[in-house]
Amino acid sequence: EAGVAQSPRYKIIEKRQSVAFWCNPISGHATLYWYQQILGQGPKLLIQFQNNGVVDDSQLPKDRFSAERLKGVDSTLKIQPAKLEDSAVYLCASSSTGHGYTFGSGTRLTVV
Amino acid sequence: AQSVAQPEDQVNVAEGNPLTVKCTYSVSGNPYLFWYVQYPNRGLQFLLKYITGDNLVKGSYGFEAEFNKSQTSFHLKKPSALVSDSALYFCAVRDGSGSARQLTFGSGTQLTVLP
Repeated sequence: EAGVAQSPRYKIIEKRQSVAFWCNPISGHATLYWYQQILGQGPKLLIQFQNNGVVDDSQLPKDRFSAERLKGVDSTLKIQPAKLEDSAVYLCASSSTGHGYTFGSGTRLTVV
Repeated sequence: AQSVAQPEDQVNVAEGNPLTVKCTYSVSGNPYLFWYVQYPNRGLQFLLKYITGDNLVKGSYGFEAEFNKSQTSFHLKKPSALVSDSALYFCAVRDGSGSARQLTFGSGTQLTVLP
């Protein structure tokens, strides 16, 4: 089966600019996650979707981050405006049963 | 709340020797435990998981892990390390009793296998 697709792979932007990341999960996976992985740290959950509804966004900095999964399939994560501390790898993952998770290759964001 | 601790930032082992990467967890319900490996500029690759059943779990590439409920540990092991095993390893947990499904990760352990 195809894996979790993410784009772009890399992005460099200046602080205060906006950026968007895209994720296409494994077909049929109802649950989609966005994680932020800062260099030297473990991934941290930003937001979890079940179909097109938000299950948990308690750690999403809502003043600058937003995410949507309008049709319950692919998802976009947006940062506006970006700060230097947003430099990280943004990982998308999907699951069907809750104990089988597949991660994408991630988007490496550098804010300068 | 759920959490994971990986007490060692770095583990060095000689090729051919056994390796252990440590992980302890905290969760209020039934623990579902996972190990992932990350190579440079790559996403997370699944190694193995414990959901229920036998405490010794076997996974990909010859890795195994032992679930110890009394010590709340889930250490990753391999009998004979390879240079190609050098990577960043993450332990993760979720509460199997809850409706939320998100994984909580440890801070990672960098494994270096020396030739």
